[in-house]
Amino acid sequence: QSALTQPPSVSGSPGQSVTISCTGSSSDVGGYDRVSWFQQPPGTAPRLIIFEVNSRPSWVPYRFSGSKSGNTASLTISGLQAEDEADYYCSSYTTRNTLVFGGGTKLTVL
Amino acid sequence: EVQLVESGGGLEQPGRSLRLSCVASGFTFDDYAMHWVRQVSGKGLEWVSGITWNSAGRAYADSVKGRFTISRDNAKKSLYLQMNGLRAEDTALYYCVKDTRGYTYFNMDVWGKGTTVTVS
Repeated sequence: QSALTQPPSVSGSPGQSVTISCTGSSSDVGGYDRVSWFQQPPGTAPRLIIFEVNSRPSWVPYRFSGSKSGNTASLTISGLQAEDEADYYCSSYTTRNTLVFGGGTKLTVL
Repeated sequence: EVQLVESGGGLEQPGRSLRLSCVASGFTFDDYAMHWVRQVSGKGLEWVSGITWNSAGRAYADSVKGRFTISRDNAKKSLYLQMNGLRAEDTALYYCVKDTRGYTYFNMDVWGKGTTVTVS
């Protein structure tokens, strides 16, 4: 199972919005609404921030939102803050009853 | 507090075996499926294996199928990963992760801090 495709890096200034894409296939992202996003600041474990494409756990600010169109999912972070600087990973359930992750995107807050 | 604590990592030679353990606290362990996810230093995440609440269903990544075995002991609130035939490419930080359903739904809401496996 090939990894989902994410841009290696994105950046934005405080207060701006950024969007991270996650492209798969009809066997994963396009076939199921079971796409998640994880945030991983340096030296820490990943933390779930979006599940089922666009749902947020209670501990995640409204600034984080998810969407999907076809085989591509997206994470949008609005009102960027310095604390948002981290690596972000998408994941998707697959037709083989496995999970595939994206390669990760490093977000830099300028 | 919901917590997952991994142990059992270390340095092992290629071809040998290691057994990872994960102890859960702060939630009803036997209500949920569990997973192992690994991360090579400086690289991305890779799902390794998952197990249903009652051990009836187990799934593995192709990269470890036939070499690794996932298991759990609900009485001990513990998850295990038996790693046989270790390879250099198994070197990684291994995370224990909780699912939000009893079956392998792959919605991973709680992560441990990880245990490091080095094969050399």
